Amino acid sequence: DTAVSQTPKYLVTQMGNDKSIKCEQNLGHDTMYWYKQDSKKFLKIMFSYNNKELIINETVPNRFSPKSPDKAHLNLHINSLELGDSAVYFCASSQDTQGGNTIYFGEGSWLTVV
Amino acid sequence: AQSVTQLDSQVPVFEEAPVELRCNYSSSVSVYLFWYVQYPNQGLQLLLKYLSGSTLVKGINGFEAEFNKSQTSFHLRKPSVHISDTAEYFCAANTGGFKTIFGAGTRLFVKA
Repeated sequence: DTAVSQTPKYLVTQMGNDKSIKCEQNLGHDTMYWYKQDSKKFLKIMFSYNNKELIINETVPNRFSPKSPDKAHLNLHINSLELGDSAVYFCASSQDTQGGNTIYFGEGSWLTVV
Repeated sequence: AQSVTQLDSQVPVFEEAPVELRCNYSSSVSVYLFWYVQYPNQGLQLLLKYLSGSTLVKGINGFEAEFNKSQTSFHLRKPSVHISDTAEYFCAANTGGFKTIFGAGTRLFVKA
């Protein structure tokens, strides 16, 4: 069983469309994240939820809206997609918010906006 | 503010040679340090981490790292690399809060 699974793995869409990426973890973790990795491999945190509560909300356009229906799921919805949104989006989880915890990553969702 | 600097963007090395990937962090408080590896088209996975105690940390796949507080460094080493070690390596730091900061990554390319 995959610990952190996200779908879809690949997504090609046109500018202006709205799309969602779903994420689920079966590790029993309390904390989940969305990271964005750009073409230069730079990894930046976007959001973090702890027990369904938003705890990190970095400087991200409000076209990006995370939703956590329960602590095992954290979905990402993106409105009005732009060319600059093309990136790999990683969902991740950790046991809780303690700083020494390992972060477990999904395999990524490759988003291409054309 | 906390930051992580990986001093080399790319490190080419021949198979069976030793390698060191360099990482420096800036923090005025206690810090947890991590190395993650990302194989092509995959997510990141933990190689090793330093929480406290012994400054030499051993991880998976024969990698080890040494925490040096005076030099604020956490360099990753492997005595003999394999082709399969070709990947992107990320150093990361957390001062105990919600946010783990990642370095820009070092591309290790192992040549036959």
